[in-house]
Amino acid sequence: QKEVEQNSGPLSVPEGAIASLNCTYSDRGSQSFFWYRQYSGKSPELIMSIYSNGDKEDGRFTAQLNKASQYVSLLIRDSQPSDSATYLCAVKENFGNEKLTFGTGTRLTIIP
Amino acid sequence: IAGITQAPTSQILAAGRRMTLRCTQDMRHNAMYWYRQDLGLGLRLIHYSNTAGTTGKGEVPDGYSVSRANTDDFPLTLASAVPSQTSVYFCASSERTGSGEAFFGQGTRLTVV
Repeated sequence: QKEVEQNSGPLSVPEGAIASLNCTYSDRGSQSFFWYRQYSGKSPELIMSIYSNGDKEDGRFTAQLNKASQYVSLLIRDSQPSDSATYLCAVKENFGNEKLTFGTGTRLTIIP
Repeated sequence: IAGITQAPTSQILAAGRRMTLRCTQDMRHNAMYWYRQDLGLGLRLIHYSNTAGTTGKGEVPDGYSVSRANTDDFPLTLASAVPSQTSVYFCASSERTGSGEAFFGQGTRLTVV
């Protein structure tokens, strides 16, 4: 059973629109949540972390967390072609536990 | 430029051979990790180290070993490579032990034939 689930995509979004990426997780004890971006052939890069229920905004990115529904999402506003990448959701149980569980990623394509 | 350096970038290896993937970081991060990334399976933790002198097993440790003699270096060794170890290997580090905020190296693409 997959612990962190993401729609593999591809998700195609017109340039300038909002891209919405979703992630669900199975472990209710999870405390920390992360979004990584991975360009094709490159390494993952951390773009957002969120620890509390609600929204966290950073520039054009907004992470949303709902622990009751075990759901975390990433919104990208004013999508740009440079946002085309695979987005990895990662979940961690608690501090001190080294297991960071990654989803398989959603491939996002921004259409000019 | 501060960061994580992995070597080699890619390697074709005969089955049964021993191989060490190198990883060096210059950010003085305490924690370091080795992941493998396979299509459809995502990133999976192989081994980790909370601090120099300590190591731990991750999700898929079998067939791999690590050492952490100092803060900067965290080599991954395949004692006797098998084709199922064909993968892209990423080394990563975190400033704080237990943090999920990791910096990744550029990866090593390993093919075992």
